[in-house]
Amino acid sequence: TQLLEQSPQFLSIQEGENLTVYCNSSSVFSSLQWYRQEPGEGPVLLVTVVTGGEVKKLKRLTFQFGDARKDSSLHITAAQPGDTGLYLCAGVGSNDYKLSFGAGTTVTVRA
Amino acid sequence: DAGITQSPRHKVTETGTPVTLRCHQTENHRYMYWYRQDPGHGLRLIHYSYGVKDTDKGEVSDGYSVSRSKTEDFLLTLESATSSQTSVYFCAISESMGLVGTNEKLFFGSGTQLSVL
Repeated sequence: TQLLEQSPQFLSIQEGENLTVYCNSSSVFSSLQWYRQEPGEGPVLLVTVVTGGEVKKLKRLTFQFGDARKDSSLHITAAQPGDTGLYLCAGVGSNDYKLSFGAGTTVTVRA
Repeated sequence: DAGITQSPRHKVTETGTPVTLRCHQTENHRYMYWYRQDPGHGLRLIHYSYGVKDTDKGEVSDGYSVSRSKTEDFLLTLESATSSQTSVYFCAISESMGLVGTNEKLFFGSGTQLSVL
């Protein structure tokens, strides 16, 4: 199982501010996914990145896959209270094709 | 939303008792998974299934067993529950195991909160 480390573990910001969440590993992944989870619900997929250096945008969210496909970041511009949640990264191993999850970053956006 | 139903949503049980959690899907997806989620550990795979009666172990399978007698149902059993199995359990489904394509993803149920006292 590949180890994915997410940082920070907790993040609390004011509405309108920007934030970045990181997902790092020493392993290479064939693809990497970001999920958002709200209290009492299961995670919901936000995006999948598959190419080293790839950047994907989803409204105010920008996702980047590292050139070496070992790390990824999620950047939120002008955060809103609706962005509050647990953000999880998950990588598909390049050898075993199994999905490994990071421990998550809890984001709180204060109005 | 993907048609995944987990039951029960909440359960409190005593140490040493057997517990069975159920996952039911209406999507006819081949792959089904059981995860547990604990603070600081993220989601950890317990067992998964790649077809009827075809199952395999995940990274934290000790103390758990699974069965899949129909495509739509995947059961997770704790033969003799322990306090360390207090957790939130999630069922997930996918069309393929590899998830290497950009259109492939896991669909999760809403979870079962299990407390073992």
